[in-house]
Amino acid sequence: KQEVTQIPAALSVPEGENLVLNCSFTDSAIYNLQWFRQDPGKGLTSLLLIQSSQREQTSGRLNASLDKSSGRSTLYIAASQPGDSATYLCAVREYNFNKFYFGSGTKLNVKP
Amino acid sequence: DVKVTQSSRYLVKRTGEKVFLECVQDMDHENMFWYRQDPGLGLRLIYFSYDVKMKEKGDIPEGYSVSREKKERFSLILESASTNQTSMYLCASSSQGVYGYTFGSGTRLTVV
Repeated sequence: KQEVTQIPAALSVPEGENLVLNCSFTDSAIYNLQWFRQDPGKGLTSLLLIQSSQREQTSGRLNASLDKSSGRSTLYIAASQPGDSATYLCAVREYNFNKFYFGSGTKLNVKP
Repeated sequence: DVKVTQSSRYLVKRTGEKVFLECVQDMDHENMFWYRQDPGLGLRLIYFSYDVKMKEKGDIPEGYSVSREKKERFSLILESASTNQTSMYLCASSSQGVYGYTFGSGTRLTVV
């Protein structure tokens, strides 16, 4: 069964810092990998979707990379802001099933 | 924008009540999912459906049932609510193939 791990579980950084969140998965036979943001008490908002044939995706200050062979993805956040404070989750979608496997998330706190 | 709408943001029910959580999506997605999210346990899949009237058990189906009579609507049913079903419930939808998930804003259910 696919297992998705996110490290670190929590991260606190000063405003303006560049940071990297990590996601690893055990089975490289995936359709795609998706990064989400979740604010307290809210649903999940999709940030970036990387297909298995892609190496990276960018949206504004966010850049996600995918190394399928090593089972890793990173989410890079440039020039962090207090409004980036949230929990970030990654999820992978396997070829054979229609369901996604989620990591447990990284809780990010950006201090003003 | 794809929208997944959950009918209630907050719900308080009594033990033993039958509870219906409704989810509607507007993008003709084939797949729909129900998750619950609890602190320290992450997202856990309850049920999913890949077509009208079709359903598959997820990782924690006990105490729950689902209904999908129309493509756009997926209902989660708690036959006899119990206090251990107090949780955040999240609905999601996706197309077949290489697309990602879209989540609703969640329903915070409290069973007293």
